[in-house]
Amino acid sequence: AQSVTQPDIHITVSEGASLELRCNYSYGATPYLFWYVQSPGQGLQLLLKYFSGDTLVQGIKGFEAEFKRSQSSFNLRKPSVHWSDAAEYFCAVGGGATNKLIFGTGTLLAVQP
Amino acid sequence: KAGVTQTPRYLIKTRGQQVTLSCSPISGHRSVSWYQQTPGQGLQFLFEYFSETQRNKGNFPGRFSGRQFSNSRSEMNVSTLELGDSALYLCASSSGGSSYNEQFFGPGTRLTVL
Repeated sequence: AQSVTQPDIHITVSEGASLELRCNYSYGATPYLFWYVQSPGQGLQLLLKYFSGDTLVQGIKGFEAEFKRSQSSFNLRKPSVHWSDAAEYFCAVGGGATNKLIFGTGTLLAVQP
Repeated sequence: KAGVTQTPRYLIKTRGQQVTLSCSPISGHRSVSWYQQTPGQGLQFLFEYFSETQRNKGNFPGRFSGRQFSNSRSEMNVSTLELGDSALYLCASSSGGSSYNEQFFGPGTRLTVL
């Protein structure tokens, strides 16, 4: 079955600290992987995506993610978190000839001053 | 380039009523997908339309339906509303085609069913 697991429901980090959000997926074909961010009352904004090639992908706002096929993981990282990064983060998987995305349950990030 | 537009942004209905939500994709985009977001079930795919045809459908009851017009604008309809239909409904547009294309999400329509 196709699925995405984000094991951390809620994470709190201090401003300036590093961040890693975990994502594991199960997908029968070659996966396309995404990280989205959602601020309260807003839609989803794409942070970064992996289709193929270099397994370390750079995104917007200083985020990066690493695709590890052997671990079926696509973890999101940021070296230094800013207060404005507080939001909910969703990992998603898709692929094939349609645009259907399967989302994880999200990780809510709080940033302490 | 204007982004994805969804109207209305907020909606309050009562059980048993029906509702129609609208999504205008980015100019030139031919694919529109709809998602339902609830605290309990998270983000779930409803359906995708491409060139006025439903290309994929999620696991939702027949009360949920949609359509796409020749200008790529899309509507989704929910009939006989239930309390559990209260959710944020997101639409996403992409250029479409035969392979995956990046999707751009709208701000959503917040539906409350009383």
